[in-house]
Amino acid sequence: KNQVEQSPQSLIILEGKNCTLQCNYTVSPFSNLRWYKQDTGRGPVSLTIMTFSENTKSNGRYTATLDADTKQSSLHITASQLSDSASYICVVSDRGSTLGRLYFGRGTQLTVWP
Amino acid sequence: EADIYQTPRYLVIGTGKKITLECSQTMGHDKMYWYQQDPGMELHLIHYSYGVNSTEKGDLSSESTVSRIRTEHFPLTLESARPSHTSQYLCASSETTQALFFGEGSRLTVL
Repeated sequence: KNQVEQSPQSLIILEGKNCTLQCNYTVSPFSNLRWYKQDTGRGPVSLTIMTFSENTKSNGRYTATLDADTKQSSLHITASQLSDSASYICVVSDRGSTLGRLYFGRGTQLTVWP
Repeated sequence: EADIYQTPRYLVIGTGKKITLECSQTMGHDKMYWYQQDPGMELHLIHYSYGVNSTEKGDLSSESTVSRIRTEHFPLTLESARPSHTSQYLCASSETTQALFFGEGSRLTVL
């Protein structure tokens, strides 16, 4: 059973609008959570990294939140642009080893229409 | 911009052929990984390496093999490709678990 669940599976919004993507996880213990953006046919690129003590972190128009108590994270995109069309992947790392094991969500496919 | 490169980007081959997917990084990272990704599904770890002469199998069983003779190079080989091997293969490297740097991927189609 996948320990990282993302919703919605896909989302279509108009250019300029805001949107929020959700990530719920059951991974334990918890080390950190990352959001990646993957353009079609490309490799994922890291957007934000959040540790246990961080609640909010921004990267330009992207703002990630983390509630470690409820094991939920969200990625908010402000004033969407056509270039935001991509798959957004949530990745959670545990503390099982110095490397940490990574658990991947299936991603949310975001499409921004003009 | 991450300095990790994969070749070929796209490959279409017949069943039974031997193929090698190349992955190189210039960041000096000790840790390298191969992931398999199918449409709409999560990435699955198939191989990883902690350094030169170190290779381990990942969570997803794979008939592929890897080698790590040099820090910067982590090729993946399929001795006899089958249609079930059709997928996207992503190579990544990292210094710690804080961030993975991915290549652009190699999309393999086996007819």
